[in-house]
Amino acid sequence: DTGVSQNPRHKITKRGQNVTFRCDPISEHNRLYWYRQTLGQGPEFLTYFQNEAQLEKSRLLSDRFSAERPKGSFSTLEIQRTEQGDSAMYLCASSRSRQGAYEQYFGPGTRLTVT
Amino acid sequence: AQSVTQLGSHVSVSEGALVLLRCNYSSSVPPYLFWYVQYPNQGLQLLLKYTSAATLVKGINGFEAEFKKSETSFHLTKPSAHMSDAAEYLCAVSVGTNAGKSTFGDGTTLTVKP
Repeated sequence: DTGVSQNPRHKITKRGQNVTFRCDPISEHNRLYWYRQTLGQGPEFLTYFQNEAQLEKSRLLSDRFSAERPKGSFSTLEIQRTEQGDSAMYLCASSRSRQGAYEQYFGPGTRLTVT
Repeated sequence: AQSVTQLGSHVSVSEGALVLLRCNYSSSVPPYLFWYVQYPNQGLQLLLKYTSAATLVKGINGFEAEFKKSETSFHLTKPSAHMSDAAEYLCAVSVGTNAGKSTFGDGTTLTVKP
């Protein structure tokens, strides 16, 4: 396994700008998850995909957030009209969907700072 | 809905001492439980998992955890702390026969004193 990769690792943007993050999962994993982590908190679930289908979205995910996984491989997370409250670490994880093996493998994260 | 509570946001131990990090969960169905370790500015690394097999689970780096249904607990232990164990530790729960997302606790920062 080459591991989950995320790009960019750091992003600084001005309030009101749009940003897009990319996640490349482990190649044989059909599930892909996005989480957000702020200082002193555990990761909060945002959304997840099985193959190209988006199966669940958190109520935390406002209309400014959108995620895609067009071919069931990599995924993008876009935040439109960023706000200072969006500053956080955005984590991507992937897993197989085989029953009993739900551990998720996490990428290094993208740290977003909104000024 | 499931939830996780990690008791103690900061734990400090001396090198060579027992490490005990506490995790309690809430779930209406049998859970899958996980412990992750997170180093600064890095992603999460899985330490161990409970998936309804043995209640005492051994993980990497000498860590282990015991699932106690009656106490709804999944505490993480290590007999002898090393300096390299200093990190953030996160407990998580997933539920359902088609478990998807994980719900995490707020984490415990472990400090190891020389």
